[in-house]
Amino acid sequence: SQQGEEDPQALSIQEGENATMNCSYKTSINNLQWYRQNSGRGLVHLILIRSNEREKHSGRLRVTLDTSKKSSSLLITASRAADTASYFCATDGETSGSRLTFGEGTQLTVNP
Amino acid sequence: ETGVTQTPRHLVMGMTNKKSLKCEQHLGHNAMYWYKQSAKKPLELMFVYNFKEQTENNSVPSRFSPECPNSSHLFLHLHTLQPEDSALYLCASSPGQGWEELFFGEGSRLTVL
Repeated sequence: SQQGEEDPQALSIQEGENATMNCSYKTSINNLQWYRQNSGRGLVHLILIRSNEREKHSGRLRVTLDTSKKSSSLLITASRAADTASYFCATDGETSGSRLTFGEGTQLTVNP
Repeated sequence: ETGVTQTPRHLVMGMTNKKSLKCEQHLGHNAMYWYKQSAKKPLELMFVYNFKEQTENNSVPSRFSPECPNSSHLFLHLHTLQPEDSALYLCASSPGQGWEELFFGEGSRLTVL
């Protein structure tokens, strides 16, 4: 069954606003990663948070992890039109071997 | 430029054709992966190679045949595909097999007529 599920499926905001995307997963994990994909392109790694971390920052990105709720959130502050993309969380379950499991993604549209 | 190059970027083929997708990484990584991305579905892991050896085959039909001649190159040979195989095929690499960040290529968009 699918490990990571993003919410919402689609999000539309205005430039300058903050965007929050959520990811829920089912089994225990070693780490959780967020990736970004521009339309028709490859995925680009954004940030990795380990199971013993609660929050991580990278530029305008802030990721939180709540292992008790099996959920993570990605916050993009002061969004720009160039942030328009799909965002995926990926988890490596403790029992999934080398398999990174991706969710279906959140399509973010930032309107100028 | 991610250091992972996929060719061709677009491919249209009939169900009786034989074609190949190529992936090359210039990052010195030891693990390489094929993923399939279909519309409205999560990425599906197809194959994993570590030091040229296949370590995972995620129950992929035999009409998809991977080849990894060395740690820098990965191929996906395609034959007698079905229209439902139309998808974006993504190659990725990582320093080793495990939990590290994956570096993806731009993908090969495959359309099977």
